Amino acid sequence: ETGVTQTPRHLVMGMTNKKSLKCEQHLGHNAMYWYKQSAKKPLELMFVYSLEERVENNSVPSRFSPECPNSSHLFLHLHTLQPEDSALYLCASSQDGPGTGANVLTFGAGSRLTVL
Amino acid sequence: TQLLEQSPQFLSIQEGENLTVYCNSSSVFSSLQWYRQEPGEGPVLLVTVVTGGEVKKLKRLTFQFGDARKDSSLHITAAQPGDTGLYLCAGTSGSRLTFGEGTQLTVNP
Repeated sequence: ETGVTQTPRHLVMGMTNKKSLKCEQHLGHNAMYWYKQSAKKPLELMFVYSLEERVENNSVPSRFSPECPNSSHLFLHLHTLQPEDSALYLCASSQDGPGTGANVLTFGAGSRLTVL
Repeated sequence: TQLLEQSPQFLSIQEGENLTVYCNSSSVFSSLQWYRQEPGEGPVLLVTVVTGGEVKKLKRLTFQFGDARKDSSLHITAAQPGDTGLYLCAGTSGSRLTFGEGTQLTVNP
């Protein structure tokens, strides 16, 4: 596999469920990101990991919990979500961390989350 | 807070027509990227512009970075149905990458 792979592509969950989104990159990049994409809104940066250390957490509610076990894998653990959390969650990677060069991102196809 | 405003938000045209999409800000960016996102996929980088006044061409797509590095435009010549998608601009300032809301382009056969 090449590029950035996200699973599952679609997820429907109740507000009391616990689920996880998975992202894997095969590009040898050193930084990984979680973005939230909602209709008619700019992409919202949620978390950034650079060399497996979390370097940014943009005031995201604690019901979203990221995990980066190594430079190739990134998870987003979901717990007691709200209907307004329904969105497309995009994972991305970049060669280097934020603030280095043009910060070009390679995105996965996204995980479409629906919270009932 | 840095904001990038894209216009128009929606654009529906016929195959063969030309179009221009704009990305504007009051902030200066060290570089600006354009991405295209097709349905069911993530955004894919089209181009990065870094110098004020820079013009880059990618087949029928022409990208321009404003002289003051606060704005950018994307011009498509003779649009084709395959150009359909969400076009996103994103500006880099320091460690922050700011995205615009996007322009949804539909090219009808």
